[in-house]
Amino acid sequence: GENVEQHPSTLSVQEGDSAVIKCTYSDSASNYFPWYKQELGKGPQLIIDIRSNVGEKKDQRIAVTLNKTAKHFSLHITETQPEDSAVYFCAAGVSGGYQKVTFGIGTKLQVIP
Amino acid sequence: GAVVSQHPSWVICKSGTSVKIECRSLDFQATTMFWYRQFPKQSLMLMATSNEGSKATYEQGVEKDKFLINHASLTLSTLTVTSAHPEDSSFYICSAPEPGRGGYTFGSGTRLTVV
Repeated sequence: GENVEQHPSTLSVQEGDSAVIKCTYSDSASNYFPWYKQELGKGPQLIIDIRSNVGEKKDQRIAVTLNKTAKHFSLHITETQPEDSAVYFCAAGVSGGYQKVTFGIGTKLQVIP
Repeated sequence: GAVVSQHPSWVICKSGTSVKIECRSLDFQATTMFWYRQFPKQSLMLMATSNEGSKATYEQGVEKDKFLINHASLTLSTLTVTSAHPEDSSFYICSAPEPGRGGYTFGSGTRLTVV
């Protein structure tokens, strides 16, 4: 099955700086890579996703890159704000079918004002 | 976008009792629902996959008789924790594939505390 590794487990940045979270996956059949933000006591919220036919995707201050050959993908948050503080999960799976995604262990991001 | 409504958001129950958690797809039909369990400061662990009109598929190590899943309609899936014990205390989250988008939408989670 799929195995997703995520690092770092915790990340502290000053407000305005950038934050980068990296993930690797093992199953070459995976073609869908979502990123979720989870605030305390709430369910995960999708913030951005990328499919294997794309190398990079941006949405305002958030970007995701994918290196399919190396089987790794990264989340980049620029101009961080205190409200970006949360736990971020990467995941990998197969899009289109009704199949599960496998989650990384999570990264607790703290943005220091 | 697609919304999954999960209730209750939190529940406290006594050991030995059963608790039912509901997840409803509000504006789409969810033929599949994934049920996750999350311990504090840990990742989401898939417990089971429910499919409308058929038996749920449980992940290895998950007790079928303890975590009863029912997916009787295209908009409702339920997880019942039977004979709950303190070690069942956890955060339970459901998720459904978003039709036409290829992604997944999550419920808001249920914090279960067994005392």
